[in-house]
Amino acid sequence: GQQLNQSPQSMFIQEGEDVSMNCTSSSIFNTWLWYKQDPGEGPVLLIALYKAGELTSNGRLTAQFGITRKDSFLNISASIPSDVGIYFCAGPEETSGSRLTFGEGTQLTVNP
Amino acid sequence: ETGVTQTPRHLVMGMTNKKSLKCEQHLGHNAMYWYKQSAKKPLELMFVYNFKEQTENNSVPSRFSPECPNSSHLFLHLHTLQPEDSALYLCASSQAGANVLTFGAGSRLTVL
Repeated sequence: GQQLNQSPQSMFIQEGEDVSMNCTSSSIFNTWLWYKQDPGEGPVLLIALYKAGELTSNGRLTAQFGITRKDSFLNISASIPSDVGIYFCAGPEETSGSRLTFGEGTQLTVNP
Repeated sequence: ETGVTQTPRHLVMGMTNKKSLKCEQHLGHNAMYWYKQSAKKPLELMFVYNFKEQTENNSVPSRFSPECPNSSHLFLHLHTLQPEDSALYLCASSQAGANVLTFGAGSRLTVL
């Protein structure tokens, strides 16, 4: 199956700093999804991207669908303590539109 | 109740026990999923149901037995598990064929 390489694996930042993480694939994706998982909870969808080059914001979060369709970026501006959690990228596999491939996640820690 | 609800949230069982995980969705979706989340690994798809019919079994051992009596309910029956089966089991739902999944909070399983 397809694989997603997500980086960095973990980040330790100070409150107020901006954050950037990315996801790359060896295969073309038609959709990129970004989820956040709070401790002890399930993943929650943050942003969905459907078109190459698309740039979408959700509050302090901004995500972009790479032009090559093989990568995506998520930026968080002015981080706050509640941004702590694991951020996952995901995309549908080519052979099954409903079967998602997930990245390994980026663990974000925000120090007050 | 709204969204996707999973019970129990925590379960400890011996290798000879039989237990079940339950998932219920109140979103009007017609596809349901079981995922396994282990530490430092991407989410692993286990089973997919569309309109109550199993459409995917991702080579899951037979000690995991899913059941989908209707589009709103999904069970995962567990028997003769191994310690390496300890993980967070996530249920999700979506419209059939859609890429965007809504996850439950998960059931944390510990096998002794």
